[in-house]
Amino acid sequence: EDKVVQSPLSLVVHEGDTVTLNCSYEVTNFRSLLWYKQEKKAPTFLFMLTSSGIEKKSGRLSSILDKKELFSILNITATQTGDSAIYLCAVVTGTASKLTFGTGTRLQVTL
Amino acid sequence: EAQVTQNPRYLITVTGKKLTVTCSQNMNHEYMSWYRQDPGLGLRQIYYSMNVEVTDKGDVPEGYKVSRKEKRNFPLILESPSPNQTSLYFCASSPQTLAGEQYFGPGTRLTVT
Repeated sequence: EDKVVQSPLSLVVHEGDTVTLNCSYEVTNFRSLLWYKQEKKAPTFLFMLTSSGIEKKSGRLSSILDKKELFSILNITATQTGDSAIYLCAVVTGTASKLTFGTGTRLQVTL
Repeated sequence: EAQVTQNPRYLITVTGKKLTVTCSQNMNHEYMSWYRQDPGLGLRQIYYSMNVEVTDKGDVPEGYKVSRKEKRNFPLILESPSPNQTSLYFCASSPQTLAGEQYFGPGTRLTVT
């Protein structure tokens, strides 16, 4: 059975802090790893990672994948209250695009 | 506007009464998928489709059916809903044949009593 584990489960930080969210996985036939942000309702896409060691960046957010150690991290620098959300990690596996999500990390950024 | 739409957005029904949740995308995407989201369990994939007439089971397909007769539509059918299917349901689509960047619909809150 494919497993995706995110840590921490929840996190409270002050505005301006830097945070690192973790995603580890044990799956068969890995294809790619995805990060999503979920605020009020529907998740929105952040990153797709397929190769080890290549950092993806978008503004204050960045992510990297380690396929040897089977994990990914999502970094957010200079956090803002608008970063408060649930961050979801998902792994795509198999020949036919099955997705397995982690349970998410709930991030709260306070003033 | 490029989007994924779901209907209904909210539904309260009774055990055993067949229902369909519709999902439609206007982006000509190949890949579509259904998920349910429950507290403490995260998002779990129910079914997915890589193209018209091609569907496959996700992690939690029991009690659900899908069809993909047209590229834009991917309805989720609950033939005999039960209370354990009370959940928040999301439909999503992706421009690639393989799952990648997915665009999610607004969600359907289903309560089965």
